[in-house]
Amino acid sequence: NAGVTQTPKFQVLKTGQSMTLQCAQDMNHNSMYWYRQDPGMGLRLIYYSASEGTTDKGEVPNGYNVSRLNKREFSLRLESAAPSQTSVYFCASRDRAYYGYTFGSGTRLTVV
Amino acid sequence: AQSVTQLDSQVPVFEEAPVELRCNYSSSVSVYLFWYVQYPNQGLQLLLKYLSGSTLVKSINGFEAEFNKSQTSFHLRKPSVHISDTAEYFCAVSDVGAGGYQKVTFGTGTKLQVIP
Repeated sequence: NAGVTQTPKFQVLKTGQSMTLQCAQDMNHNSMYWYRQDPGMGLRLIYYSASEGTTDKGEVPNGYNVSRLNKREFSLRLESAAPSQTSVYFCASRDRAYYGYTFGSGTRLTVV
Repeated sequence: AQSVTQLDSQVPVFEEAPVELRCNYSSSVSVYLFWYVQYPNQGLQLLLKYLSGSTLVKSINGFEAEFNKSQTSFHLRKPSVHISDTAEYFCAVSDVGAGGYQKVTFGTGTKLQVIP
């Protein structure tokens, strides 16, 4: 009954460092998403993968890259972290639009 | 273009009192409507959704929301809140579609604070 699993839960980076956020789902969903949540701004879509083998930019893709490794896994990479990327990152998956999203528990990232 | 407005960023309410969290949306196409709840330090969880049919939808924990097409609203209500309802609530709209990506837009959230 795991749903969507994100690692790590917390991370502190120095400006310019790189890291990869991992996400895996066990619900056989086709679509996976990366969002960032900032106070007063709701959730903003970074990248998504509508199906295995495809990825597309969302609203705020600059500074990020993604890899859909297989149907289960969708990773988000920060190549050179900036303080503006301090945020809480959520991975989500869904099958059909009418089912709604299943979210992971989030990664709280601080860039100093 | 698609947008969601949650005008109230915070709503304080006494325990056992009723509450309404407001959500208005705009879209040029048919949409599905959702409410998600986020408890502190957790991810968002689907609370309820409107797809079609009856305009009043209910969750298992006593919340309900009514789709009003003429007012483009999907307000969330509960007749009697509990301390455990303290959380942030997000309204979201999704394009209706059969394949590919259906755009989802989230509101900025309403923090419900239940006061003992």
